[in-house]
Amino acid sequence: EDQVTQSPEALRLQEGESSSLNCSYTVSGLRGLFWYRQDPGKGPEFLFTLYSAGEEKEKERLKATLTKKESFLHITAPKPEDSATYLCAVCARGGGTSYGKLTFGQGTILTVHP
Amino acid sequence: NAGVTQTPKFRVLKTGQSMTLLCAQDMNHEYMYWYRQDPGMGLRLIHYSVGEGTTAKGEVPDGYNVSRLKKQNFLLGLESAAPSQTSVYFCASSYVPASRAFFGQGTRLTVV
Repeated sequence: EDQVTQSPEALRLQEGESSSLNCSYTVSGLRGLFWYRQDPGKGPEFLFTLYSAGEEKEKERLKATLTKKESFLHITAPKPEDSATYLCAVCARGGGTSYGKLTFGQGTILTVHP
Repeated sequence: NAGVTQTPKFRVLKTGQSMTLLCAQDMNHEYMYWYRQDPGMGLRLIHYSVGEGTTAKGEVPDGYNVSRLKKQNFLLGLESAAPSQTSVYFCASSYVPASRAFFGQGTRLTVV
């Protein structure tokens, strides 16, 4: 059974205070790991896809990294507009009924205070 | 380009009533998903489809049925609604499993 665990559940930062969000995963074989951002009352919006250990991707103040067991979303000098729920998801290489399945973690609620 | 559209956006049902949620995508995606989101529990997969005419069970399929008669549409049905099905429902689609998924804006369902 694919499992995704995110920590912390909630994170409060001051503007400019850098930090990291963690996503630990257990899958039979990783096809891809995804990070999404979700604002209140809206659907998740795509941020990054990572496919193999050692891969890194950046976008503005966000940087995602991947190891064989976990992924980190690093936030450098955050601004209040970065406040949102950040979701991690994995797609496994499983066949049969697991093929194409996309499993999410419970999310990290990030609040950045001015 | 509309992307993924969910209908309706809000609905209140009485216990025992039935309803169908419609998800439509205009991106010619093969894969479509239905999730429910409850406070503190992230997105939980209800059912998904890997192509027209196919469906598969996710983590929490009980009480729900789905159909994918046309490639662009994925329907989620509740035959006899229960208060435990009060949630926000999201539909998503993707071209292939390891590509980014596009989400609809959600349907807020309350069962009283």
